[in-house]
This record gives sequence, structure tokens and C-alpha cells, in this order.
Amino acid sequence: DAGVIQSPRHEVTEMGQEVTLRCKPISGHNSLFWYRQTMMRGLELLIYFNNNVPIDDSGMPEDRFSAKMPNASFSTLKIQPSEPRDSAVYFCASSLQNSPLHFGNGTRLTVT
Amino acid sequence: AQSVTQLGSHVSVSEGALVLLRCNYSSSVPPYLFWYVQYPNQGLQLLLKYTSAATLVKGINGFEAEFKKSETSFHLTKPSAHMSDAAEYFCAVRAGGGADGLTFGKGTHLIIQP
Repeated sequence: DAGVIQSPRHEVTEMGQEVTLRCKPISGHNSLFWYRQTMMRGLELLIYFNNNVPIDDSGMPEDRFSAKMPNASFSTLKIQPSEPRDSAVYFCASSLQNSPLHFGNGTRLTVT
Repeated sequence: AQSVTQLGSHVSVSEGALVLLRCNYSSSVPPYLFWYVQYPNQGLQLLLKYTSAATLVKGINGFEAEFKKSETSFHLTKPSAHMSDAAEYFCAVRAGGGADGLTFGKGTHLIIQP
């Protein structure tokens, strides 16, 4: 079991640039979640998908953020344009039905 | 809507002492409750879960938690702390058995004194 795979592990970019974070969920899982972790706000749910369909994106902070899940084995979270306040660790998690979430190791994003 | 409150952002115990991390929840429907652990530069790992079966739940690494509906609590305990238990611990709630995301508490940083 390879677990949830996220790439890159670290991303450093300049303000205004586009950032794309990638996630490969555990094979067979039908729900996928994107979380953001910061010291100030803790873990925030940004968006989640069920069977590749976005169910709730109310946690997406602004229109600069977008997420896609083109198939059951891949999802992206895009920030365009990026801002320094977007600096955080972004986690992807997947689950099957109502089983517990399995988390990836995260992408640490730094926007300068 | 559901929410979780973790009392104490930092808890320090001596090696071999009892660990008690507090979690109180709020949920409009019967909740599913979880404890996760996060080691530095890693993702969250499931410790244990409560899903309306036994109220005392045993997890990995010697941890357990007890669901108390009357107190809306789900405190995490371990009889004897080990140095390797030093980490960040998160309590989380989900409304019933749905496929919604988890709502997490702010986390408690557990420090183990030698």
C-alpha cells in the first residue's frame, strides 16, 4: 500500500506565480480531501470530492484557488496568482465510504 | 455543524507518567470521533476512532479514548508516556457515517520530559 502520494514535498515560489499541487489517492478510495495547515488557523478543509465530483468547496478561501479531480487516481490544487499569505502546508487525504481519512505527507508551500 | 475543542495547546509529562489529552466536541447528530497524531514533517496518522460501537476505544501505540456523551468528551489517554510519543495530537469529528470531511481541533503538542 503506497499510501496517499503528494508532490512536490516543498515548493518555493514568488508572489504572483501559479502553483500546482498534486495528489494521488490510495487506489480504490472514492473520497478525496484537500486541507491547509497553518499555525494560526490549524487544519482547514478546503474542498472534497466524492467519486471525482466536487461536493463542498466552501472552504476554498478565494477564487485564486481551484481544484480538479479528472480521474479517480489524480487531483490537483492550483493557486493563481499566489500570495505570501498562502504559505502553509497543504495536505491531501483519501478515504473509502465513511472510513477514516488517510493523509499524505503534505506539500510545504512558501510564497515570497 | 460540528466542532472540536482541544484544551491545552501544549501538554508536558514525564516519561512513564500518565498522558491525558482533552477533547470536547459539538455535533448536531451522533458523531464519529477520531484522534490523529502528527510527527514533524509528516502527515496525520490515525490513532483510533469511535463510530458508535464500544465507548472505550483502543488504538495504536497503547493509546485509548473514552466517548462520554453526557460530557460531550473524547479524551485521549495512555498509562505510561514514552519519549517516542512526543508529537502533535489532533481530535476530529465527523457528523455520523457520511463521507464529509473531518473537522479538526487546533491540536495539542505533547512534550515528554526525560
